[in-house]
Amino acid sequence: QVQLQESGPGLVKPSETLSLTCTVSGGSISNYYWSWIRQPPGGGLEWIGYIYYSGSTIYNPSLKSRVTMSVDMSKNQFSLSLSSMTAADTAVYYCARGGTATYWNLGLWGRGTLVSVSS
Amino acid sequence: DIVMTQSPDSLAVSLGERATINCKSSQSVLYSANNKNSLAWYQQKPGQPPKLLIYWASTRESGVPDRFSGSGSGTDFTLTISSLQAEDVAVYYCQQYYGYSSTFGQGTKLEIK
Repeated sequence: QVQLQESGPGLVKPSETLSLTCTVSGGSISNYYWSWIRQPPGGGLEWIGYIYYSGSTIYNPSLKSRVTMSVDMSKNQFSLSLSSMTAADTAVYYCARGGTATYWNLGLWGRGTLVSVSS
Repeated sequence: DIVMTQSPDSLAVSLGERATINCKSSQSVLYSANNKNSLAWYQQKPGQPPKLLIYWASTRESGVPDRFSGSGSGTDFTLTISSLQAEDVAVYYCQQYYGYSSTFGQGTKLEIK
C-alpha cells in the first residue's frame, strides 16, 4: 500500500533553513495534493501548506514568507523548506496526502519527524 | 485566518456512554458552491499521526465506525461518539478548509472515566 516517509535533520540551528523530504512509496505522486503539517511537542496541529503534483502551491499565510515547497516526480518525492528557523519551529513535521481534487482530506500521513531548533 | 475553538479541552466519559466534542469557527465555513460545510474531524492516538474521521462536517471517511458522527453548520459543529469504546481514547481535532487555507482547533483530549 502507499506509504509516506519524512526524512531530514533532527536538529537545526537558529536562523538556519530546514529542508525536509517526503518519499512516497507504493504509489505515484501524480494526481494528488500533498501537504505538510507540524505539531509542537505536546501541542496542536498547524497546517503549513500544500503542493499539487504539478507544482502549484498554497501556503499558510502565517508562514508564507519562510516556506517553499517543491516536487520531484522522478524520485516520487516532495519537499519542504522553512527558512529563518527559531525555537518556535521545534515540532514534529508530518507529510500527508490529500485527494485528487481537494487538498484538505488528509487521509494518509507519514509517521512524522521531530525537528528541534537549538544552537 | 479562520480561528477554530474546541470545547472542552478535555473530556472523561464512561465506556458505552456518549461523548460530545464541540468546535466553533470564527466565521462561517459553509461553502456556497456545494452548500456543504468545510469542516473535518481527526483522531490522534499517542505516538501516531492523525486519522481522518469525518469531512464535509458529517461524511464519514471509509472504514470509520458508525458510532462516530458529525453535525452542525455555519460556525458550530459537533463530533459525537455514540458509545465510547476503549480504543477511542485519543485527542480529537477539527479542521476547517474553507477557501485556500486550513486551520485546526486546539484539540480535545478524550479519556475513559
